Amino acid sequence: NAGVTQTPKFRVLKTGQSMTLLCAQDMNHEYMYWYRQDPGMGLRLIHYSVGEGTTAKGEVPDGYNVSRLKKQNFLLGLESAAPSQTSVYFCASRGTGLAGMYNEQFFGPGTRLTVL
Amino acid sequence: AQSVTQPDIHITVSEGASLELRCNYSYGATPYLFWYVQSPGQGLQLLLKYFSGDTLVQGIKGFEAEFKRSQSSFNLRKPSVHWSDAAEYFCAVGAGNTPLVFGKGTRLSVIA
Repeated sequence: NAGVTQTPKFRVLKTGQSMTLLCAQDMNHEYMYWYRQDPGMGLRLIHYSVGEGTTAKGEVPDGYNVSRLKKQNFLLGLESAAPSQTSVYFCASRGTGLAGMYNEQFFGPGTRLTVL
Repeated sequence: AQSVTQPDIHITVSEGASLELRCNYSYGATPYLFWYVQSPGQGLQLLLKYFSGDTLVQGIKGFEAEFKRSQSSFNLRKPSVHWSDAAEYFCAVGAGNTPLVFGKGTRLSVIA
């Protein structure tokens, strides 16, 4: 199993450009999350999904959109990138049943995004 | 609202010395508690977790943590630190179907 994978690993954008980050998991998990990590701020939740076709806002959703068309994929979109969105983005997933009850989240390796 | 506080932004210890990283939480219900570690340029790896039962939990890499309900704390400990333990450590809290809430992290440096 690959676990949670993220594409791309690195990206540089100019202000105003758009892009989509892809998260994929092969653990058949229901729940998926997008976080951003900034120095001194820890991990902050952007959006999450509790199942295919569902999405919900997290702590810092502004400027981002998400979609969960397939259970295994969770896409994070930036429609018009801003320098404030320069960050490292992490995707995570969690199962249901016993694993989900214990709320353990599995993380991808991250995407480092720079917006100039 | 739930929150996690890690009071120490950066800690430096000598190799072979003991380590304690502090974590305090605020949560309305009975929490599930986690410690994750992040090596430079890497994702987060679960060190250990507490759900119920024995308040002293053992994790990977020789780490342990103790849940103290009266102090709302879940401190991480290791008796003898190795240079490879240098990383950033995150405490997190959650329960049920809610997403985990993370602290801001403690960066650990290990000196010879």
